[in-house]
Amino acid sequence: QVQLVQSGAEVKKPGASVKVSCKTSGYTFTDYYIHWVRQAPGQGLEWMGWINPNNGGTNSAQNFQGRVTMTRDTSISTVYMELSGLRSDDTGIYYCARDVIRPHGGYALDYWGQGTLVTVSS
Amino acid sequence: QSALTQPVSVSGSPGQSITISCTGTSSDFGTYNLVSWFQQHPGKAPKLMIYEVSKRPSGVSNRFSGSRSGNTASLTISGLQAEDEADYYCCSYVGSSRGVFGGGTKLTVL
Repeated sequence: QVQLVQSGAEVKKPGASVKVSCKTSGYTFTDYYIHWVRQAPGQGLEWMGWINPNNGGTNSAQNFQGRVTMTRDTSISTVYMELSGLRSDDTGIYYCARDVIRPHGGYALDYWGQGTLVTVSS
Repeated sequence: QSALTQPVSVSGSPGQSITISCTGTSSDFGTYNLVSWFQQHPGKAPKLMIYEVSKRPSGVSNRFSGSRSGNTASLTISGLQAEDEADYYCCSYVGSSRGVFGGGTKLTVL
């Protein structure tokens, strides 16, 4: 069965960086894009970006450009999202999600990780 | 990129039908048919309910349907049930290989 398992909660100081992992299983890793989505406390969903695990290509929302880096390790079917220059308003739950539409994705996110809470506080 | 516009809240009684709208600009939706809808219960990860405007993933009830007219996409839930009470989000491809979510709609089943 398809599973996306994310790394555990993080507490970071303003200005620091955080790296969240998303380990996938149950399907061919390189066949499906992975998206990252953020949800601030009590707020809605915010699309951050995607990575193509096949070739490592990425794209991100303008709000995160220059601060977010998405990478993958095909040997362990895992993608990573690193966010730098953390601010208090970066506090929230970060989700990875698989895009079921092949080959180029279509924002149809059918399997989600359990979410990783990132808290930014001095 | 601004969020797509959704009503903050909608409500309906069990058995009724409700529709949640998702409005963007012509440049948001363009000629793409890549609109998805997600259901999120408190404390849970979102669940895909509709993709490519009107397609239902396997396992999603046929009480859920999607459509699009011009710059507005819609999610209709028929035969409302208590378990449908949740937050609903639309999401669309908006060009330049980017996507955006709507602000979310809280559905209350009276």
